[in-house]
Amino acid sequence: NAGVTQTPKFRILKIGQSMTLQCAQDMNHNYMYWYRQDPGMGLKLIYYSVGAGITDKGEVPNGYNVSRSTTEDFPLRLELAAPSQTSVYFCASSSRTGNNEQFFGPGTRLTVL
Amino acid sequence: QKEVEQNSGPLSVPEGAIASLNCTYSDRVSQSFFWYRQYSGKSPELIMSIYSNGDKEDGRFTAQLNKASQYVSLLIRDSQPSDSATYLCAANYGGATNKLIFGTGTLLAVQP
Repeated sequence: NAGVTQTPKFRILKIGQSMTLQCAQDMNHNYMYWYRQDPGMGLKLIYYSVGAGITDKGEVPNGYNVSRSTTEDFPLRLELAAPSQTSVYFCASSSRTGNNEQFFGPGTRLTVL
Repeated sequence: QKEVEQNSGPLSVPEGAIASLNCTYSDRVSQSFFWYRQYSGKSPELIMSIYSNGDKEDGRFTAQLNKASQYVSLLIRDSQPSDSATYLCAANYGGATNKLIFGTGTLLAVQP
């Protein structure tokens, strides 16, 4: 199993550009999450999904959108990128059954200039 | 507002010593607690989970939970330089979504 994968690893955007961060998992997990992590800060939840077709906002959803058309994939869309979105983005997944453990992908480091 | 608090450190310990990392949480609804290790430039890696009051041991790691005091700790015995990392404490929100709230992490430096 590859676990949780994310692409790209790094990206530089200009202000106002858009992009999609890709996330996929092969563990058949129902729950998936997007976080951002700013330097010296903890992880902040952007959006989450409890299954295909179901998404909901987390703590910091402004400027982002998500979709969940399959169990495996959970892309994060940035529209009109702003310097405040410079961050490291992590995708995570967990099983609906069991003990709430979340497993993280390797992250995408995004810089908006 | 749900919060998880950690001392940012750095916590410096000599090689072979016990490192003690602490965390408090604000929401009594939280039932599940997790410790993640994050090396610089890498993603968080789950190292311990704990759900019941008391101690849970796994190799050199011991997690401790006291729900009455809303306190979670992680002990690392025989600390090694390779343990140097940021340790993130997390608590679940409650409910069926498995959402977690994270502390800002404690930086541990193990001195050879």
